[in-house]
Amino acid sequence: KAGVTQTPRYLIKTRGQQVTLSCSPISGHRSVSWYQQTPGQGLQFLFEYFSETQRNKGNFPGRFSGRQFSNSRSEMNVSTLELGDSALYLCASSLASGQGAHEQYFGPGTRLTVT
Amino acid sequence: AQSVTQLGSHVSVSEGALVLLRCNYSSSVPPYLFWYVQYPNQGLQLLLKYTSAATLVKGINGFEAEFKKSETSFHLTKPSAHMSDAAEYFCAVSTNYGGSQGNLIFGKGTKLSVKP
Repeated sequence: KAGVTQTPRYLIKTRGQQVTLSCSPISGHRSVSWYQQTPGQGLQFLFEYFSETQRNKGNFPGRFSGRQFSNSRSEMNVSTLELGDSALYLCASSLASGQGAHEQYFGPGTRLTVT
Repeated sequence: AQSVTQLGSHVSVSEGALVLLRCNYSSSVPPYLFWYVQYPNQGLQLLLKYTSAATLVKGINGFEAEFKKSETSFHLTKPSAHMSDAAEYFCAVSTNYGGSQGNLIFGKGTKLSVKP
């Protein structure tokens, strides 16, 4: 089975711009979660989508948004970029049937640099 | 609320020596616990997970972890370090109440160096 894929892998944007990142989960996985990784704050949960619905959201400003499509692919969008948004954005997918501890499988991440 | 504390941001061992990476958690409900590894410029790879089935959990690449409720710990060990184990290791906790599986809470990570 193919793993989680994320595009693009690297991105350079300017302050004030917006950006869209894409994530394709493992086939059959219906849950997609997004995380931000920075040297200072570590790994922080952004949001989770399941069957096109946001089920859980972390403590990030409204500039961060996401969505999930009927094929489980997900996108996240960051508007009005700030320097502090420079980070590795990781997507993870899981079966998430609601029972048991379903492990999350991570993609390679998108490295976003804001200048 | 859940939280994870990893003691030691950097750990250095010699090749062939015991690896011990410490993780303590805080959770008001029975937790699920995970260890992930991250190699440079890559995503996270699951090493092992604790789901209450057994307190000693064996994972990939010779790693194992023991859940100790009394100490609220889930330390990761490997009897003999290999050069290829050099990476950053993350302990994470989650709960599955309400069916939401997305909220992994990570520790700050421990960077493991292996000396020849």
